[in-house]
Amino acid sequence: TQLLEQSPQFLSIQEGENLTVYCNSSSVFSSLQWYRQEPGEGPVLLVTVVTGGEVKKLKRLTFQFGDARKDSSLHITAAQPGDTGLYLCAGLLTGANNLFFGTGTRLTVIP
Amino acid sequence: GAGVSQSPRYKVAKRGQDVALRCDPISGHVSLFWYQQALGQGPEFLTYFQNEAQLDKSGLPSDRFFAERPEGSVSTLKIQRTQQEDSAVYLCASRLLARAARSYNEQFFGPGTRLTVL
Repeated sequence: TQLLEQSPQFLSIQEGENLTVYCNSSSVFSSLQWYRQEPGEGPVLLVTVVTGGEVKKLKRLTFQFGDARKDSSLHITAAQPGDTGLYLCAGLLTGANNLFFGTGTRLTVIP
Repeated sequence: GAGVSQSPRYKVAKRGQDVALRCDPISGHVSLFWYQQALGQGPEFLTYFQNEAQLDKSGLPSDRFFAERPEGSVSTLKIQRTQQEDSAVYLCASRLLARAARSYNEQFFGPGTRLTVL
């Protein structure tokens, strides 16, 4: 059983559409990260959020950390085929060293 | 290159064979992690090293799994008497700092080793 549940598990959309991916837990995290992973490669860090309620933007990607630091969301505006990949949230518990990864959301953007 | 490298990239083993997976972390990185990623799932933590010391091995699924980092750089994950349920991608990650910091905890991942046990 993974500590972080992501939804949806799979998402297939047309180029230009908007989407939101959710990452939920019953645990409180000291920080939360979002990674993107492409086939045959390791995950690559997109962003780290630390403060409850924090919002960070990275071009067309908007990340939000929940007020209680138990959940997060990733919103992509005007998706492009280059956004295709596996999106993973990962949380750091207070005092821990390792990351707890979410179940993953596989996004496919159709040209 | 300056990134994390892993070898072999692909490994096919017959059930019962022993395998050894290698990780070369980024030079100077103190922390090293091993994760197991099943098909279509997120990575799951296996073990953590700070330099040569294995500080956490709570994620290792059985005593058939063994990891070492004898000189504080290269690490090897060994799986003895492989079983079909061991089939997965094994990811190695390194981190600059010894301890996780809330605002800086970037782990740099290698490409993984895909292990298939027949």
